[in-house]
Amino acid sequence: GAVVSQHPSWVICKSGTSVKIECRSLDFQATTMFWYRQFPKQSLMLMATSNEGSKATYEQGVEKDKFLINHASLTLSTLTVTSAHPEDSSFYICSARDRARPYEQYFGPGTRLTVT
Amino acid sequence: KQEVTQIPAALSVPEGENLVLNCSFTDSAIYNLQWFRQDPGKGLTSLLLIQSSQREQTSGRLNASLDKSSGRSTLYIAASQPGDSATYLCAVPSGGGATNKLIFGTGTLLAVQP
Repeated sequence: GAVVSQHPSWVICKSGTSVKIECRSLDFQATTMFWYRQFPKQSLMLMATSNEGSKATYEQGVEKDKFLINHASLTLSTLTVTSAHPEDSSFYICSARDRARPYEQYFGPGTRLTVT
Repeated sequence: KQEVTQIPAALSVPEGENLVLNCSFTDSAIYNLQWFRQDPGKGLTSLLLIQSSQREQTSGRLNASLDKSSGRSTLYIAASQPGDSATYLCAVPSGGGATNKLIFGTGTLLAVQP
């Protein structure tokens, strides 16, 4: 149980285009989902916290108009990188908090974004 | 502001050795501490979660200890195997709450040589 999936697992896009990444909780309801970014050989940095049915809370320094987050249901959150640039190339990981077990987070497998 | 650091940053050991990974946090008012494993290019796998009231947790060859007062946790891996090679991360919820966002440590890259 407690499986989180991400789609796509990797994506290459051209500079200036937008990319959408999906995060799904497969066997549980997630009232809260988190989006992290990880640069090579660095730890995870939280970008935003997404609560179902409400606006996401962004961490300091993260542009909310550039990284659009939607959490429309209890099993799906999406991150859209708008007008992507090469510096947005990174590994994006989502995690989800089980409504029934709120003290743990379950992580997705990550999405590798490369902007050319 | 909570800060989490891990030492060493990298570690290489021969197969069969016992080893210890260290995690330090600046604010001792934590609700729990979690250890994760991350394989290259992959997501995170939760290994152990220690509640603040606990001193240690064990799972197979892994044993995690927690000393809140000194702001430290250790992950002990017994009889290491090449399959243990990965990056190990510790994390604590921010602000002392149980369901707050996680603050991750800097990670330890472990290589177990066959």
